[in-house]
Order: sequence, then C-alpha cells, then structure tokens
Amino acid sequence: AQSVTQLGSHVSVSEGALVLLRCNYSSSVPPYLFWYVQYPNQGLQLLLKYTTGATLVKGINGFEAEFKKSETSFHLTKPSAHMSDAAEYFCAVKGNQGGKLIFGQGTELSVKP
Amino acid sequence: DGGITQSPKYLFRKEGQNVTLSCEQNLNHDAMYWYRQDPGQGLRLIYYSQIVNDFQKGDIAEGYSVSREKKESFPLTVTSAQKNPTAFYLCASTMSGNSYSGANVLTFGAGSRLTVL
Repeated sequence: AQSVTQLGSHVSVSEGALVLLRCNYSSSVPPYLFWYVQYPNQGLQLLLKYTTGATLVKGINGFEAEFKKSETSFHLTKPSAHMSDAAEYFCAVKGNQGGKLIFGQGTELSVKP
Repeated sequence: DGGITQSPKYLFRKEGQNVTLSCEQNLNHDAMYWYRQDPGQGLRLIYYSQIVNDFQKGDIAEGYSVSREKKESFPLTVTSAQKNPTAFYLCASTMSGNSYSGANVLTFGAGSRLTVL
C-alpha cells in the first residue's frame, strides 16, 4: 500500500525567504508523485508531478521538487516566497489501482511580510 | 472552457435529511472521484467511478451513495446515515481510471461546503 507523510502541518516563512515543504512517501512499486496547492475555499490545482526520468521537477509559480528514491522523499521548494504563495499544499502518491491518488494531510504555508 | 462544476457551493442541512451534491464535467474524462476534506486530515476518498454505470467504494463510503448514469455527471448523496457530514466535498476527474495509463492528473472542482445544523 502507498502512504504519504507531510512533516509539519503549518509552515511560516518571511516574504523572500526559502520555502521548504517536506513530503515522504511509502510505495512498494515505483511511484508517481504529485504536489497540489489549494487556496481557501477552492479546489486543488496541480503544481508539479514526477513520473519517470529527471528527478528534479519544475512546476508552476517557481516551485520545484526533487525525487530522492534513497530517502523516499519528494520535498517541495521555492527559492523566494511571495505573499501569494500562502495556501495549503498537498503531496500525493499514485495508488496501485484505479488511478487513485493517496494524499498527505496537507501543510498550510503562511507568508509574513 | 473545460472544467468541473460543483453545486451548490454552500449547503446547510438539518439532521436527518439527505442532500445531493452535483458534479458535472465537460472534459470528456472517463473517471470521476469524490473526496471529503476535513481540517488536518487531507483528502479522503469516498467513491470513484471509472466508467459509466459502474462505481466503487473508497475509504469512507459509509453514509454516502453515488450514481454514474452519464459520463459527464457523478452526483453524491449524503444520507442521514452519515454521522458527521459537515465537511468540504471535492469532486475530481481524470482522463482514465486505468492504473496502467500513466500518471493520472486529477482535475478538481471548486468544492461544496456542507454544514449540518
């Protein structure tokens, strides 16, 4: 079975600082990994995904994530936080049937001026 | 523009009442999903459907029912048997529900917030 653990339910950074949101996964097969973002009272939008190939994945809004198989991690980073980055972020791993995604509990990112 | 439409955005229900949440997509996607979101718990799968006239229970199906009579539509009924129905409900779809069809990217609707009074 697949599972996802997001370390830290709340992360606060200053505007312009590095954003680092942590995600560790468990999977018995090579995983597909995703990061989604959710703004208040809205649905989720895809930030980026890892399928195969290059382990450093670039997404929208300046975010990127690196797949590290040895560490079973897929941490999300952005060099410089912007106020508009304040949202909830979800890491997800693809399940092994029916195309279902297994989501982590989410990390709420706050950006201080 | 293609997308997923959920309605209503906000819904209030008295205890003991059934309510139905609508989900319509014009993306020509085969698979559709219903998730429930509670603070600090992420998204939990309620039901999913890979093709018309077929659906499967997810992790928390008790107290919910669905139908898939048309490819575009996947309504969710929250029944009176659901003990704690107050939550944010998200509908999503993917091109295919086949586990071997690659990295299925979910497209989400904007959600429906249900509050039981």
